[in-house]
Amino acid sequence: GAVVSQHPSWVICKSGTSVKIECRSLDFQATTMFWYRQFPKQSLMLMATSNEGSKATYEQGVEKDKFLINHASLTLSTLTVTSAHPEDSSFYICRPSAGDGMNTEAFFGQGTRLTVV
Amino acid sequence: QKEVEQDPGPLSVPEGAIVSLNCTYSNSAFQYFMWYRQYSRKGPELLMYTYSSGNKEDGRFTAQVDKSSKYISLFIRDSQPSDSATYLCAMSVGGTPLVFGKGTRLSVIA
Repeated sequence: GAVVSQHPSWVICKSGTSVKIECRSLDFQATTMFWYRQFPKQSLMLMATSNEGSKATYEQGVEKDKFLINHASLTLSTLTVTSAHPEDSSFYICRPSAGDGMNTEAFFGQGTRLTVV
Repeated sequence: QKEVEQDPGPLSVPEGAIVSLNCTYSNSAFQYFMWYRQYSRKGPELLMYTYSSGNKEDGRFTAQVDKSSKYISLFIRDSQPSDSATYLCAMSVGGTPLVFGKGTRLSVIA
């Protein structure tokens, strides 16, 4: 299957600081990147969708100024949680896509566990 | 009605049991059906995917899709403690975007 690398796997930060999460597609060009958030014992919730070189589209209820998404290249996308608060503590997961069907649609990053203290 | 319904469990079974996990859905346009396994604090791992109706088998895992009933299943034979995880179903119309079930937490007791 497609290889996806997400870093860091876990991070602890202080309230008010910003955290950047990276997602790389290692063996294909990701024209689209999906970012998800998962709270404990909950399912994946789509936060935003970004296309390479374009602004991200955010789901309802997700603050675009708080969760900055950069998708400047076909192999790298970043999610920056700005001015983090304890309620932002969650598991963040990326899913890159080359738009070629199931060859690359179904593979997720390893996830980043963010704890804001 | 939600697009995808999945019983969150938890489901607890003894080692060696046959496990049946299920999802129902409402959108008849779904064509791709996937099952993911997610261990605690890890990203989901694709187990199997099926296009349209039918069965697919891979080792101890069998995925079934019944489009007429809008019902999909994942069977795990000879379950092992290492199978303890959350299992998520997902489906899509044309490959993207994926719509997920809530996940079923499975515990296989040795």
